[in-house]
Amino acid sequence: DVKVTQSSRYLVKRTGEKVFLECVQDMDHENMFWYRQDPGLGLRLIYFSYDVKMKEKGDIPEGYSVSREKKERFSLILESASTNQTSMYLCASKTGPNTEAFFGQGTRLTVV
Amino acid sequence: AQSVAQPEDQVNVAEGNPLTVKCTYSVSGNPYLFWYVQYPNRGLQFLLKYITGDNLVKGSYGFEAEFNKSQTSFHLKKPSALVSDSALYFCSCGNQFYFGTGTSLTVIP
Repeated sequence: DVKVTQSSRYLVKRTGEKVFLECVQDMDHENMFWYRQDPGLGLRLIYFSYDVKMKEKGDIPEGYSVSREKKERFSLILESASTNQTSMYLCASKTGPNTEAFFGQGTRLTVV
Repeated sequence: AQSVAQPEDQVNVAEGNPLTVKCTYSVSGNPYLFWYVQYPNRGLQFLLKYITGDNLVKGSYGFEAEFNKSQTSFHLKKPSALVSDSALYFCSCGNQFYFGTGTSLTVIP
């Protein structure tokens, strides 16, 4: 089975801190995604990557950056955490363009 | 531009009754449509997808979805709801870039 693992289930960080969310997949997928999920807004795409060292902005990239140095790992970075970044963050991976995505269990981040 | 819409935030259905969770899409070209389920404090799990072919797609856990091109809809259905089907459901289109806002399904015992 495909496994997508996010490094933390719950995180509490202070305003202004630099925050790293890590995601690792074990199925050699080319494509990886970071979303945030908020009630009433569904999932919104922050960044995605279709290859190592490649990244593309999604709908809401402001305040975030990403890193993909290895194929299996896709990191989301909050440069300076703010309270409006309190959310559930979901990582996903997939192979080709019309295939289903496999999701991690999510990281619930609270910024205080 | 591509988008999907889920017009209902909440759907309640009695156990044993048929259920429908609605999704409409706006896609140029061939639509690639997906349904996912999310249980509390978990990530999303894939249920089924429509790429091409039969308009009725069968998926996991007894779910199916009907693709209707004229109505630009892709509604999720199940003939007989279970209490364990209570969860949040999302439809998606394209390369998983776009998701609906989600529909919370509650199956009442």
